[in-house]
Amino acid sequence: EPEVTQTPSHQVTQMGQEVILRCVPISNHLYFYWYRQILGQKVEFLVSFYNNEISEKSEIFDDQFSVERPDGSNFTLKIRSTKLEDSAMYFCASSEASGGVETQYFGPGTRLLVL
Amino acid sequence: AQTVTQSQPEMSVQEAETVTLSCTYDTSENNYYLFWYKQPPSRQMILVIRQEAYKQQNATENRFSVNFQKAAKSFSLKISDSQLGDTAMYFCAFTAYNTDKLIFGTGTRLQVFP
Repeated sequence: EPEVTQTPSHQVTQMGQEVILRCVPISNHLYFYWYRQILGQKVEFLVSFYNNEISEKSEIFDDQFSVERPDGSNFTLKIRSTKLEDSAMYFCASSEASGGVETQYFGPGTRLLVL
Repeated sequence: AQTVTQSQPEMSVQEAETVTLSCTYDTSENNYYLFWYKQPPSRQMILVIRQEAYKQQNATENRFSVNFQKAAKSFSLKISDSQLGDTAMYFCAFTAYNTDKLIFGTGTRLQVFP
């Protein structure tokens, strides 16, 4: 069964450094998402992406964050200058359509630790 | 603003028994979808079951079924004949028809004992 994959599984970085989290969505999916889960808290929506554009973003997704689909398979989340509070599990998801019509399938996550 | 509330941080059940996980939500939308996701200790969140708000019939998937009460804004998950592999964190989630984002509850950690 097709799966969403994410790399790396763990990332440790120093405050102020840039990080790029990578995701390979399911191949026939057109909508891509990033969520994060700070330890002990809810899973929170960050951004959705369709047709090479951001379609929706949350208040969390400020100028420090960016997303890109650099080629036909990868979907990346970049954090330009990491802060301690960016430490979280970051989940990528993909779906065939938006708005809940089609299920979002999640990757295993990348655990980011900012020191 | 939409919210999802799971009032049971932890639940436990014996193998082969039935357990019900609670979820309530708040929204002014009329068209929306509700989901239960399972996150086993290996971390990958997988869909357990989904419900379209316009459908009156409760969704079922094998041993998993929901009790969807639209007027009460309640969406509970019933797991019948619990198995050890059901041990996981269970998240209730909501999305409105006209948005991309899933809104999650805080989760319920379910432990199935032999």
